[in-house]
Amino acid sequence: GQSLEQPSEVTAVEGAIVQINCTYQTSGFYGLSWYQQHDGGAPTFLSYNALDGLEETGRFSSFLSRSDSYGYLLLQELQMKDSASYFCAAYAGNNRKLIWGLGTSLAVNP
Amino acid sequence: EAGVAQSPRYKIIEKRQSVAFWCNPISGHATLYWYQQILGQGPKLLIQFQNNGVVDDSQLPKDRFSAERLKGVDSTLKIQPAKLEDSAVYLCASSSGRGSTMNTEAFFGQGTRLTVV
Repeated sequence: GQSLEQPSEVTAVEGAIVQINCTYQTSGFYGLSWYQQHDGGAPTFLSYNALDGLEETGRFSSFLSRSDSYGYLLLQELQMKDSASYFCAAYAGNNRKLIWGLGTSLAVNP
Repeated sequence: EAGVAQSPRYKIIEKRQSVAFWCNPISGHATLYWYQQILGQGPKLLIQFQNNGVVDDSQLPKDRFSAERLKGVDSTLKIQPAKLEDSAVYLCASSSGRGSTMNTEAFFGQGTRLTVV
């Protein structure tokens, strides 16, 4: 089957750096996306990696290694507002659909 | 540009009743998705449309759920009859559906929170 694994919870303090890992098992893999979802809100797109390497967008960076079927989201200079759930989603298959992980709940403490 | 619009925001119904949700995607987006998100879990794809054709409905409980996207724009998702376990947030999303990266970024509506009692 097709699946993605990520930690269920991560805790960090303001100003710190946190890395959320994601491993995937899919067929017809095209790339890896990351979404942020605050409690009660809709998922919002953060990044997409089609090629190996690091993509940086402000305080957030995303990394992909296709050979290792692995990626991560790196959040720097953490702020309280970064407390949310973060989902990795693989863009895969003949239908080019998003296959979602179960999400990582990030708690940023003062 | 206007985002994905969904209605209603909240709905409470009794089990065995029917309910319908409406979604208007971002203008020009060819791909439309309906997701079910149970509290504490990730979104689960129910159905994916490309224009007005169904691309994937493998996880749609077809005995009680139905969806349509007439004219390839708006879409409705219906549950009939509802069960207690259908209590969830129903999210509609759209993506461009064109080009080599056609569905890498999906835009979500605010969702409909359904409570079945």
